[in-house]
Amino acid sequence: DTAVSQTPKYLVTQMGNDKSIKCEQNLGHDTMYWYKQDSKKFLKIMFSYNNKELIINETVPNRFSPKSPDKAHLNLHINSLELGDSAVYFCASSAPETRGGELFFGEGSRLTVL
Amino acid sequence: AQSVSQHNHHVILSEAASLELGCNYSYGGTVNLFWYVQYPGQHLQLLLKYFSGDPLVKGIKGFEAEFIKSKFSFNLRKPSVQWSDTAEYFCAVNERDSWGKLQFGAGTQVVVTP
Repeated sequence: DTAVSQTPKYLVTQMGNDKSIKCEQNLGHDTMYWYKQDSKKFLKIMFSYNNKELIINETVPNRFSPKSPDKAHLNLHINSLELGDSAVYFCASSAPETRGGELFFGEGSRLTVL
Repeated sequence: AQSVSQHNHHVILSEAASLELGCNYSYGGTVNLFWYVQYPGQHLQLLLKYFSGDPLVKGIKGFEAEFIKSKFSFNLRKPSVQWSDTAEYFCAVNERDSWGKLQFGAGTQVVVTP
């Protein structure tokens, strides 16, 4: 069983479109994250949710809207896609006892905006 | 400002050679330290972590890292690499008891030639 699963794995779309990426974890973790990995492999946190509440929002444009319907799911919706949004988006989760550092990552969703 | 720097962006070495990847961080408080690995086309996986205690930490696949507080460093080592160690290696840091806001280094691409 995949611990942190994301769908879709690949997404190719046109500028201006709206798209969503879904994430689910079956580890029973309380905290979930979205990270963005750019073309130079640089990883940066975008959002973090703990028990469905937003706790980290790293100056991400408001075109990006995370939604956590329950603590096992954290979806990412992106409006009005731009070329610069092309990246790999990783979902991750962590348990409280790991002090938020031992993150379990999904396989990534590669978004290409044309 | 808080930062994590990895000294080498690309490392090429032969099988059986020893590997050492440098990582330095700039944080004011107590930190947790991590090394993650990303094999080609895969998600990030935790190699090892340091929270407290023995500064020499052993991880999976024969990797180890040493925390030197006075040097703000957490270098990764492996005595004898294999072709399968070809991957991107990321150092990551967060403040103790924070909500998982991991700050990643820029990554080091390691290529092991047969």
